[in-house]
Amino acid sequence: DAKTTQPTSMDCAEGRAANLPCNHSTISGNEYVYWYRQIHSQGPQYIIHGLKNNETNEMASLIITEDRKSSTLILPHATLRDTAVYYCIDVIQTGANNLFFGTGTRLTVIP
Amino acid sequence: GAVVSQHPSWVICKSGTSVKIECRSLDFQATTMFWYRQFPKQSLMLMATSNEGSKATYEQGVEKDKFLINHASLTLSTLTVTSAHPEDSSFYICSASKGKGEAFFGQGTRLTVV
Repeated sequence: DAKTTQPTSMDCAEGRAANLPCNHSTISGNEYVYWYRQIHSQGPQYIIHGLKNNETNEMASLIITEDRKSSTLILPHATLRDTAVYYCIDVIQTGANNLFFGTGTRLTVIP
Repeated sequence: GAVVSQHPSWVICKSGTSVKIECRSLDFQATTMFWYRQFPKQSLMLMATSNEGSKATYEQGVEKDKFLINHASLTLSTLTVTSAHPEDSSFYICSASKGKGEAFFGQGTRLTVV
């Protein structure tokens, strides 16, 4: 079963920042925080991951609290193409990993 | 990023027939691939772990004789849905990892059994 909890859905105005929260109440010391998204009828797409430091890449920024019990994925300027279901997952980085998906957050970017 | 390709993207088959879905890692070798199933408006559910050169590991409740998995090479895993029935209609997705937790997913295969 998935260990993370996320809000079921969120809306965001196009061009504004989308902030997607995730609770990792049972995350262990050797687990990383990973974020994926799934656009309708496609396979999931990797976004970003981190251990305890904040991370940024070309797609998004990831903020992880000091106690690592929660994280926030930030899409700085949401576009209509960012409409998708976003999943946060706790992952142990030891070789190939199966991923257990929770219900995710359905983000709808509104024009 | 790495590329994982699934084929076919969609398939319609008659009840009682078998369907094979292919998952290929195009630019890296994957000793382990994973197969997921996703029903409408639900999350992905892991079905099985495909190991190159050995038997697949199935999640609880997944029938190994119905969902045959073969991982004959480091770049190809296949999932065969045998004697398909309408309740097997779903979105099937594979993933492969280069290690270190990051997984790359295929585009998925939508199976409709009529």
